[in-house]
Amino acid sequence: SQTIHQWPATLVQPVGSPLSLECTVEGTSNPNLYWYRQAAGRGLQLLFYSVGIGQISSEVPQNLSASRPQDRQFILSSKKLLLSDSGFYLCAWSVLGQTQPQHFGDGTRLSIL
Amino acid sequence: RKEVEQDPGPFNVPEGATVAFNCTYSNSASQSFFWYRQDCRKEPKLLMSVYSSGNEDGRFTAQLNRASQYISLLIRDSKLSDSATYLCVVNRGSARQLTFGSGTQLTVLP
Repeated sequence: SQTIHQWPATLVQPVGSPLSLECTVEGTSNPNLYWYRQAAGRGLQLLFYSVGIGQISSEVPQNLSASRPQDRQFILSSKKLLLSDSGFYLCAWSVLGQTQPQHFGDGTRLSIL
Repeated sequence: RKEVEQDPGPFNVPEGATVAFNCTYSNSASQSFFWYRQDCRKEPKLLMSVYSSGNEDGRFTAQLNRASQYISLLIRDSKLSDSATYLCVVNRGSARQLTFGSGTQLTVLP
């Protein structure tokens, strides 16, 4: 069966510091991969998605970036965090196809001080 | 108009009650529909897909009305463990991207 791992679970970072969140998927090949952010009490905002190694599509211009160095690895980064980057970051995967849902990792709760 | 709209609630219902959630979507080209549930401070989890003919999974029934661009979720015999936020999810016309509604909060009271 497929599993998705995301870490760390919680993170407290000062403004201006860098960020690296990692997500890996097991038990499947060539997954679509996604990064979402959920602000407190709000809906999910799609940040990036990837359909293959090295292929990244950005949904919202901001100071975050994503990379996919391996088929089942997806990384979210920032060189300098802003206060507004606080939130709940979720990685998800799906199988390519019109009717396939997305499956989420446990999420990373990021607080910027 | 939002791509996916839901009544935010909250819905507070007694155990055993039947509760219905509604959702509308704006993209007539959408072909995939889902309901997710999200517990407080947790990740969303797939509850069920929604099929054109309607489908049922135990106490949960989902309906789709393409003409009205409307999706519903019915929960019968509510349990305390059903307390969560229910997210209506629609694909954007691209298989790769889903749009999540802001969710409807449900609290089942003893």
